[in-house]
Amino acid sequence: RKEVEQDPGPFNVPEGATVAFNCTYSNSASQSFFWYRQDCRKEPKLLMSVYSSGNEDGRFTAQLNRASQYISLLIRDSKLSDSATYLCVVRSGGYQKVTFGTGTKLQVIP
Amino acid sequence: GAVVSQHPSWVICKSGTSVKIECRSLDFQATTMFWYRQFPKQSLMLMATSNEGSKATYEQGVEKDKFLINHASLTLSTLTVTSAHPEDSSFYICSAISGRGNEQFFGPGTRLTVL
Repeated sequence: RKEVEQDPGPFNVPEGATVAFNCTYSNSASQSFFWYRQDCRKEPKLLMSVYSSGNEDGRFTAQLNRASQYISLLIRDSKLSDSATYLCVVRSGGYQKVTFGTGTKLQVIP
Repeated sequence: GAVVSQHPSWVICKSGTSVKIECRSLDFQATTMFWYRQFPKQSLMLMATSNEGSKATYEQGVEKDKFLINHASLTLSTLTVTSAHPEDSSFYICSAISGRGNEQFFGPGTRLTVL
């Protein structure tokens, strides 16, 4: 089993739709969780950290479920500019162990 | 926010040559930097953790003699791909964690093509 697993997609959704991605992780000792966004041929950029209580930033909502060992990202009112690959990142053991998921590709269609 | 730069942004070289990639933290000191490699349609894979003033820690399967890492100062880490081969062609990305927070900042990446 991979340490961090994501559905690669692609998720093709119309503008204005709501879309959700999940990411499962295998290490129960994982401490920090993040969602990054990566545009084609660019470096990943932090979208948001994921807190135990869940957190929201505008149209984006992140949730953590430690019992089931997954995190989720919900995007409301999708924009064309949201088209990108969304990477789930799990950190354990301090800064020394950072694991990326393979990413979920989102394509928002006009 | 914090900025990490990489140089060069792309490089094409002949098989057998060595290529050096620089990673700089521009407005913060980074005692630890990370080097990743990303093949097309795959995720970032951590290659090594670069520690200022000490030897790098390599991930399993990454040859330390082939991928030389030097972290000579708090703002600069270099990755040298020695005797590059076509299978080393990839997108190499460095990152650093700002001491002020928990965020990992990525450089823009270096696209290496070995002919």
